[in-house]
Amino acid sequence: AAGVIQSPRHLIKEKRETATLKCYPIPRHDTVYWYQQGPGQDPQFLISFYEKMQSDKGSIPDRFSAQQFSDYHSELNMSSLELGDSALYFCASSSPQRGYNEQFFGPGTRLTVL
Amino acid sequence: AQTVTQSQPEMSVQEAETVTLSCTYDTSENNYYLFWYKQPPSRQMILVIRQEAYKQQNATENRFSVNFQKAAKSFSLKISDSQLGDTAMYFCAFMKPGLDDKVIFGPGTSLSVIP
Repeated sequence: AAGVIQSPRHLIKEKRETATLKCYPIPRHDTVYWYQQGPGQDPQFLISFYEKMQSDKGSIPDRFSAQQFSDYHSELNMSSLELGDSALYFCASSSPQRGYNEQFFGPGTRLTVL
Repeated sequence: AQTVTQSQPEMSVQEAETVTLSCTYDTSENNYYLFWYKQPPSRQMILVIRQEAYKQQNATENRFSVNFQKAAKSFSLKISDSQLGDTAMYFCAFMKPGLDDKVIFGPGTSLSVIP
């Protein structure tokens, strides 16, 4: 079965640079969620989108922005990167067929800021 | 606001033995979902088991089962016949039903299965 795809899987950036993380949800999933998992921590919700509109927002820094496109893929844009942004970034998707009652997680993008 | 607590940061179990991981949560909601996720060293987030709060019956998935006590807001995971591949971080998680809601994770329990 198709799963959530995230790219790139690994990314290394310098401080103050920008990064773009991409997420391709499972086919026919229209809702996307982004989570950030710092070292030794549990994942924290950043932001979600439904039908290309932002649906909920968590502890996402103002330096980050995200959007969902017409093909339902989503991109998380991160600017002025800081050392503390080094983390594993998960994308998850859900669908109306399952009543949005389960989120399927991608493999994550590991971002390292030097 | 919902919170999820896991009071055991680390646990270990002998191979083939049984281990129980604890989780408690706090919510004023009546209908919700609870999950156990496994995160092995690869750091992939893998769904182990899912429980719907309105269902009395405890969920089971092969060697994994839960003890869901709604009144006590407790949701423990039992792993039977532990295998080396069960070594991972285990996160208890909560989610309200519906499209708009995010998963809230507990701090995790690191489980080591000892040969």
